[in-house]
Amino acid sequence: NAGVTQTPKFRVLKTGQSMTLLCAQDMNHEYMYWYRQDPGMGLRLIHYSVGEGTTAKGEVPDGYNVSRLKKQNFLLGLESAAPSQTSVYFCASSYLLQVTGELFFGEGSRLTVL
Amino acid sequence: GQNIDQPTEMTATEGAIVQINCTYQTSGFNGLFWYQQHAGEAPTFLSYNVLDGLEEKGRFSSFLSRSKGYSYLLLKELQMKDSASYLCVPMDSNYQLIWGAGTKLIIKP
Repeated sequence: NAGVTQTPKFRVLKTGQSMTLLCAQDMNHEYMYWYRQDPGMGLRLIHYSVGEGTTAKGEVPDGYNVSRLKKQNFLLGLESAAPSQTSVYFCASSYLLQVTGELFFGEGSRLTVL
Repeated sequence: GQNIDQPTEMTATEGAIVQINCTYQTSGFNGLFWYQQHAGEAPTFLSYNVLDGLEEKGRFSSFLSRSKGYSYLLLKELQMKDSASYLCVPMDSNYQLIWGAGTKLIIKP
């Protein structure tokens, strides 16, 4: 049982390059999230999805786009990477939080933008 | 605004008990989570409190007082592997999770 899988785990980009992070979950969860975490700081929500075909902005959406074409996959895109986007990115999925109370996280994707 | 207050860092001894306190202010309230995060890893779920009182789960217990905006995580029989950051995460009226930097717990032999 894989849970939540993120690819790639590490990536180095040059300023202006684009890339896509893939998140896949096999728990049939409706809710999926993309967070970023910078050193010494809490998680910040970038975008989230409450079901297939839906997406919504979180706290820090600028510079990112997302798509949820299939229930099990949630993609995070950077169209023109900037050094400020150097961070660790975590994908998570869940049932209704107010019912089960648990987010399941992927292992993280470490992105460096030079 | 929405705010979480936890100690930045705590130190405890292997085998001892430690209590990590958290006070919070949120726009409405729909429960509070505790997560553990080891350095370089993703957070993992520890507990979820919706009602006032103590929830016990093995060596870990979590307490909530909604009227005081207060929670604590109690860790018993500390082990070296408990060295990690502990994140107090309230959920507001829009079911949004409020994440802070957490408390870094250092366990010494």
